Amino acid sequence: KNEVEQSPQNLTAQEGEFITINCSYSVGISALHWLQQHPGGGIVSLFMLSSGKKKHGRLIATINIQEKHSSLHITASHPRDSAVYICAVYNTDKLIFGTGTRLQVFP
Amino acid sequence: DTGVSQNPRHKITKRGQNVTFRCDPISEHNRLYWYRQTLGQGPEFLTYFQNEAQLEKSRLLSDRFSAERPKGSFSTLEIQRTEQGDSAMYLCASSLRRASWGTGELFFGEGSRLTVL
Repeated sequence: KNEVEQSPQNLTAQEGEFITINCSYSVGISALHWLQQHPGGGIVSLFMLSSGKKKHGRLIATINIQEKHSSLHITASHPRDSAVYICAVYNTDKLIFGTGTRLQVFP
Repeated sequence: DTGVSQNPRHKITKRGQNVTFRCDPISEHNRLYWYRQTLGQGPEFLTYFQNEAQLEKSRLLSDRFSAERPKGSFSTLEIQRTEQGDSAMYLCASSLRRASWGTGELFFGEGSRLTVL
């Protein structure tokens, strides 16, 4: 069993829909990253959080340390949001990655 | 451009050859990480440095792999006697770690894609 699990693995949505991606982890962490990876490989950090909730534009990330669970929400999704979203946790100073959620948003 | 820079972006080589990848992190970042990513998978940790010191190496890093960060700035990842199974995207990331508040946000390079024929 992976130490970081994401669901769903694949997600398709119509433009404008509200999207939720979930991440569960089984190790102790100091922080959690949500990352976005576009085709071609480049990875961009969206959020780094260790408690509560963060919001940036249409993106919202929440974390529940007790339940070892985090969610990434995208409001009013847009085709340019199509990418792979990766959850990664800091465990003893290195990141452990989930396998990612492939999101496709259609116009 | 003051982001994390990796080169070459793409390397095609024959089995048995040696390859070297370079990563230039953000200049003030003291932490540098190497990850490997194969198609459809999330990145896997390989190794990381605090300044010039290599603090941890993954079991994935066989004897054919070596990484250095000689002056605590850029880093190189060398793969000797490449095998087809080494074909992957090699990602570098850097961050700033302070004793007072831990490890900061991670910034990734665009990656170096290795194809071993």
